Amino acid sequence: QKEVEQDPGPLSVPEGAIVSLNCTYSNSAFQYFMWYRQYSRKGPELLMYTYSSGNKEDGRFTAQVDKSSKYISLFIRDSQPSDSATYLCASISGGYNKLIFGAGTRLAVHP
Amino acid sequence: NAGVTQTPKFQVLKTGQSMTLQCAQDMNHNSMYWYRQDPGMGLRLIYYSASEGTTDKGEVPNGYNVSRLNKREFSLRLESAAPSQTSVYFCASSGSPRGDQPQHFGDGTRLSIL
Repeated sequence: QKEVEQDPGPLSVPEGAIVSLNCTYSNSAFQYFMWYRQYSRKGPELLMYTYSSGNKEDGRFTAQVDKSSKYISLFIRDSQPSDSATYLCASISGGYNKLIFGAGTRLAVHP
Repeated sequence: NAGVTQTPKFQVLKTGQSMTLQCAQDMNHNSMYWYRQDPGMGLRLIYYSASEGTTDKGEVPNGYNVSRLNKREFSLRLESAAPSQTSVYFCASSGSPRGDQPQHFGDGTRLSIL
């Protein structure tokens, strides 16, 4: 079992839709949770960074972590064609450990 | 704001050739990382350097070597390239090796080995 599991999609939605992207993880020691956005032929770009459980909002993006169920979510409101990319979730514990990535979900937002 | 810069962006090698991938960051970060990204596999850590003067193996270190040249630069070397090393390679840096500071990535080197 991978430490971070993510549905690879692809996910296709119409412009303006609310998008929900999800990951599960198995390591109870994970404390920090990240979402990266990766456009084609580009490097991952940090989108959201959260510590422990709870919600964090930044514009149209909301990251949610539920440590009791080991579930990580990213919500995108009013999705735009420019949101079309691959979204990677990642987790790490607080010590000298390695950042573990999900496989990424490919999202397409069509006009 | 350059961030993390990788060179070259593309490279084609023949089996058995050697090559060094270069990475430099201008964010005064202590920690640097090399990943490879393959379809369906996500990002896998090859080597990392928690601080200047230290390097450690990641998940898939076989066939690679690294050098932390100074605080800014971290290179990845393929001594004898194999087709299985065809991949996209990403360098990243962070303020600390702990999870309390996120990693920032370069735009990658696309490497094909024939």
